[in-house]
Amino acid sequence: DQQVKQNSPSLSVQEGRISILNCDYTNSMFDYFLWYKKYPAEGPTFLISISSIKDKNEDGRFTVFLNKSAKHLSLHIVPSQPGDSAVYFCAASRDSGYSTLTFGKGTMLLVSP
Amino acid sequence: EAGVTQSPTHLIKTRGQQATLRCSPISGHTSVYWYQQALGLGLQFLLWYDEGEERNRGNFPPRFSGRQFPNYSSELNVNALELEDSALYLCASSPGQGIGVLTFGAGSRLTVL
Repeated sequence: DQQVKQNSPSLSVQEGRISILNCDYTNSMFDYFLWYKKYPAEGPTFLISISSIKDKNEDGRFTVFLNKSAKHLSLHIVPSQPGDSAVYFCAASRDSGYSTLTFGKGTMLLVSP
Repeated sequence: EAGVTQSPTHLIKTRGQQATLRCSPISGHTSVYWYQQALGLGLQFLLWYDEGEERNRGNFPPRFSGRQFPNYSSELNVNALELEDSALYLCASSPGQGIGVLTFGAGSRLTVL
């Protein structure tokens, strides 16, 4: 049973527009959520996180929204840039130490000029 | 500062053989994690080591094992290789005690023929 789901395998967006990547989870014990970005032939790199006591966290062009009642989070990238083209993974953890992360399958974002 | 380094980059084995993958964490990090990314799947948690001890284990058979050395580097061993073990194996490190955002290496691609 997949506890973290990213139902869109891919997303195409034009440069300058907003990219919205979605993630759903089923385990109500998850309290901490992270987004990682992965370029080909590189390891995933941490992007942004949010805890369940908040519903929004912002870092520059990246904002993560959490709707705990719907068990849904989303990552907004505004404005999107071609360099944002990568695979984005949503991850969830029960503890603030992130010692055991549960990842989604990822969404490949393609930002075209 | 050097990041998380993994070796080898690629490894080809035949069914039934053993594979050994190696990981050097970021200097000062004492926690090392291993994840498997099989084709079409998200990252699956394998093992977590901290201060030389196995702290947690994912839902994988005992043929997946590892260890952490006094210098905090780590080794992942996969015995009696099966075709479905073909995957990208990612190592990550964090400052320690399972605390802190994970920093990933670029991974080792294992192919089992």
